[in-house]
Amino acid sequence: DVQVTQSPSTLSASVGDIVTITCRTSQSIITYLNWYHHKPGKAPELLIYGASSLQSGVPSRFSGSGSGTDFTLTISSLQPEDVATYYCQQSYSTPWTFGQGTKVEIK
Amino acid sequence: EVQLVESGGGLVKPEGSLRLSCAGSGFIFRNAWMSWVRQAPGKGLAWVGRIKSKTDGGTTDYAAPVKGRFTISRDDSKNTLFLQMHSLKTEDTAVYYCATHDSGVLTLWGAMDVWGQGTTVTVSS
Repeated sequence: DVQVTQSPSTLSASVGDIVTITCRTSQSIITYLNWYHHKPGKAPELLIYGASSLQSGVPSRFSGSGSGTDFTLTISSLQPEDVATYYCQQSYSTPWTFGQGTKVEIK
Repeated sequence: EVQLVESGGGLVKPEGSLRLSCAGSGFIFRNAWMSWVRQAPGKGLAWVGRIKSKTDGGTTDYAAPVKGRFTISRDDSKNTLFLQMHSLKTEDTAVYYCATHDSGVLTLWGAMDVWGQGTTVTVSS
């Protein structure tokens, strides 16, 4: 099974800051890596698919990069509404696996 | 509007069984690959399993912790996905979400862009 290691587990930043979250996989998954955010009491929302494609309707301050085993989600200017837990998910092979999550807070 | 609505959650004793349902609307259900994802209290998201469309073979895959105990099935005539859970353990306590992909591109990438609001399963004596 593909293991997914996400870091950091928590992150505190100011409004307007650049925020970076990383995911590393135990084997190459090419670009089969998706990013979600999840707010308490709500359903998770897809942000990025295929490592770097922005999902329709998602603000352009979100971007994804990487291939192989190392991937990054960047928020170019953190906004108050971005407070959430962020997850990466590999879909290269089943069982699909999520990273452990990164809780993003406003400083 | 594309929508998924889960039901069937509740309190069940260890070793008990429960069946969750997920009703889909606003999309061609029979063409959709459907997944179940859960979140235990204080934990992150965990993929439970997936069923492909019958056109793509209708096969299922499961995460190791539920393999052999959980079964995913679908009734395309009723636009409904099921998760049959047996031999439940306290560690199965979680909010269970059904999810799918609202386009062929997202299916290709395994990216789930449509999610239900979740149904809560509590396994406790």
